[in-house]
Amino acid sequence: GQNIDQPTEMTATEGAIVQINCTYQTSGFNGLFWYQQHAGEAPTFLSYNVLDGLEEKGRFSSFLSRSKGYSYLLLKELQMKDSASYLCAVRDRTGGFKTIFGAGTRLFVKA
Amino acid sequence: DGGITQSPKYLFRKEGQNVTLSCEQNLNHDAMYWYRQDPGQGLRLIYYSQIVNDFQKGDIAEGYSVSREKKESFPLTVTSAQKNPTAFYLCASSPGGALSSYNEQFFGPGTRLTVL
Repeated sequence: GQNIDQPTEMTATEGAIVQINCTYQTSGFNGLFWYQQHAGEAPTFLSYNVLDGLEEKGRFSSFLSRSKGYSYLLLKELQMKDSASYLCAVRDRTGGFKTIFGAGTRLFVKA
Repeated sequence: DGGITQSPKYLFRKEGQNVTLSCEQNLNHDAMYWYRQDPGQGLRLIYYSQIVNDFQKGDIAEGYSVSREKKESFPLTVTSAQKNPTAFYLCASSPGGALSSYNEQFFGPGTRLTVL
């Protein structure tokens, strides 16, 4: 089957660094996405990993280990506007290359 | 501006009525998707379409129907058979169809449906 786990909520301080973890089980892994979603709005794409390692994009970085079924999203120099939900999503080549979304991690950034 | 639009943003319907949610994209994307999001849960796939005049059921298709007569449009009908239709509905599209190696999805602003 397919399953994605991520923490429900996290709190961090403005200017700090936070790491949001995601573990997954899937039979036909074909890429992992991170999306940001502010309350009541649509998700927006942050990053994509298909090979092991770290992808850096400005203040955001995403890491993937396929052998461990593990990814994390790293947010540096946190800003208040980073308060949002962060969705981990895995693309699975079985059953038609569907993308399976986790429940999301709600991040609260405090002053 | 290129993008994906959904209308209306808020929709109220009486129980037992069918309702159709609109989704239009001018990104020239082949694939389109409908998701449902409930509080505290991830996005669940209702239907998806990889090409015009073709669509497949997702994980929670019961009580929903779709059509894909034009590349730009993928309307979703919530029928009276859907037991718990109140939710936030998100439409998305992606460039190369489900079989492409890179498949970032672009989301519309969503429609919040409330059935009274």
